[in-house]
Formats: sequence, structure tokens, C-alpha cells
Amino acid sequence: GAGVSQSPSNKVTEKGKDVELRCDPISGHTALYWYRQRLGQGLEFLIYFQGNSAPDKSGLPSDRFSAERTGESVSTLTIQRTQQEDSAVYLCASSLVEHLNTEAFFGQGTRLTVV
Amino acid sequence: LAKTTQPISMDSYEGQEVNITCSHNNIATNDYITWYQQFPSQGPRFIIQGYKTKVTNEVASLFIPADRKSSTLSLPRVSLSDTAVYYCLVGGGATNKLIFGTGTLLAVQP
Repeated sequence: GAGVSQSPSNKVTEKGKDVELRCDPISGHTALYWYRQRLGQGLEFLIYFQGNSAPDKSGLPSDRFSAERTGESVSTLTIQRTQQEDSAVYLCASSLVEHLNTEAFFGQGTRLTVV
Repeated sequence: LAKTTQPISMDSYEGQEVNITCSHNNIATNDYITWYQQFPSQGPRFIIQGYKTKVTNEVASLFIPADRKSSTLSLPRVSLSDTAVYYCLVGGGATNKLIFGTGTLLAVQP
């Protein structure tokens, strides 16, 4: 595709519900990243997928958060039993991982509001 | 992963040159230095990347001293539309995991 696509663009959910956020990376990009950005703050790393390697989950804040990626395509970030502190913009990025190249392309994000 | 330190905010006026410096004392031999720009309600956008000395593109210049423990992003003749948060990242050696710091909020005034 032309760029990284995320859906939905906005999501309002009730506290305690589960949500799924979707990311379609740029075709051919082997690396995929998820970040969380709370209002007025920087990007908080969540998880990183690189090809067929085991994902780096070191940034996931709790076991309510999980993510999957099918091959080198779509990724889904799932938040179970949402809490109000989960309200944030969730950003996805992908990159064509060549030697020492870290340029990443970001989607527009999913704004999650937990009420 | 090398940690980066940069000013929280900077102010400038239209037409001025802006230099934002980032410290990365623990940079590894294989690490590259990359800068991203983020506008409100948008994802970050790649600006420039370098390994050593000077890199220039149509948007900015990146100056890296010989010891590579710091880098300076230079924006020539800024305009109001350059108001954004600028992030310095160091990495790309054994892993491409991108860790963003707090960034520098650049406010350009008329």
C-alpha cells in the first residue's frame, strides 16, 4: 500500500471491554512497531516484530496487552479489560529493515478513549 | 540501547536557523543517529539520518562530531509550519528497535 494504515481511527469503549486495533504495514516491510502516546507525552514503545524472529514484547505494560502479526503483514494489538489509563493514541510503524537502516513509516494512529 | 538527552523545548522566530542538539554518550559503534518530526495528531515522520560528519537533505542538516557522542539537527530558515516535536533516536546496530525520548518541542513564532 501507499503507507501504513491503521484502523479504526477512533475508538470509544467502555471500561472493562476488550478492543482490537489493526495495523496494515507497507508491503514488503519486515519490521513492525507499536507505540502508545498519551496526551502531551512522548512515544512509549510497546512491541516490535522483525520477520520471523520472536517479537520484542519488553514494552507491553501489562498482561492485558498483546499483539500478533501474521507473517510480514497485518498486525493486531489487543487490549483486554480496558482501563481509563489505556486512553491514548496507539501508533503503528513499519520499516524495510536493511543493514543499519532504521527509517520507519508511521500510520495516523488509533485514538482510544476508555469511558 | 543508547539513551538520548535533548532540550524539552525551544523557541524561535520565522526565518531563523534553529539548531537542536542531542546527547548520546553511550552510542555504540554500529548505531546510526536518526531524527523524526511529529506534528499534533500525526505520527512521527523521518527527517534525516547519519552516522558521522555531516548529512544534508532538502529539509535539514545533521552534524555529528568525530566522537559521535552528540548530534545537532539544523533547520534553516524555519517557518510557522516547522512548529513540532523533534525526536532524536540512536540505534540500528544489532536491532532496529526504535526507542523515542521525550523530544524537543520547537515553537516558531511570527
